[in-house]
Amino acid sequence: DGGITQSPKYLFRKEGQNVTLSCEQNLNHDAMYWYRQDPGQGLRLIYYSQIVNDFQKGDIAEGYSVSREKKESFPLTVTSAQKNPTAFYLCASSILDLAKNIQYFGAGTRLSVL
Amino acid sequence: AQSVSQHNHHVILSEAASLELGCNYSYGGTVNLFWYVQYPGQHLQLLLKYFSGDPLVKGIKGFEAEFIKSKFSFNLRKPSVQWSDTAEYFCAVRAGGGNKLTFGTGTQLKVEL
Repeated sequence: DGGITQSPKYLFRKEGQNVTLSCEQNLNHDAMYWYRQDPGQGLRLIYYSQIVNDFQKGDIAEGYSVSREKKESFPLTVTSAQKNPTAFYLCASSILDLAKNIQYFGAGTRLSVL
Repeated sequence: AQSVSQHNHHVILSEAASLELGCNYSYGGTVNLFWYVQYPGQHLQLLLKYFSGDPLVKGIKGFEAEFIKSKFSFNLRKPSVQWSDTAEYFCAVRAGGGNKLTFGTGTQLKVEL
């Protein structure tokens, strides 16, 4: 069953705590992305990666970090520096060919602050 | 930086009514355009896309969209909505040859029986 798996589905963060959201894909896609979805604000890009061991900041990278050690995996860490982390986080992946580039999305992780 | 505007934030329609959701973007060069849909409790999924060619594109579930370059628009249409079309709809643009997508703020559609 091919696709993008995000875990956990729900996550709670305490003050001052770092938490890591998992994203795994078995679509053999080179590019992976993290978005944050807030009501009435659409999706905003946090980080993206086009190749293993390389990634770029998106529009709202402050307070977040990522790694890309394997092609299949692109975990997102929400650090204590992110003062408003409560949101729905979506991971996506795509091929690099711009003529056929469609982003496919996981089911998301809902993060809340305790 | 490019931006995407979706002017209708909440739309309520009766079944069988026609639907048109507006999407405008701000970028003068080559663009790829997308409509995604998020049904309650489900993944964000692609409805339709425009890369090049015929500006009228057809997608899944009877949806279509028209790319009007002179108006920087990519409006979504459906002649007759169903209750099952209740969802949030997002317009997205890829511009400038990169991989990044810029999303609009979304339109929440509710279809009443």
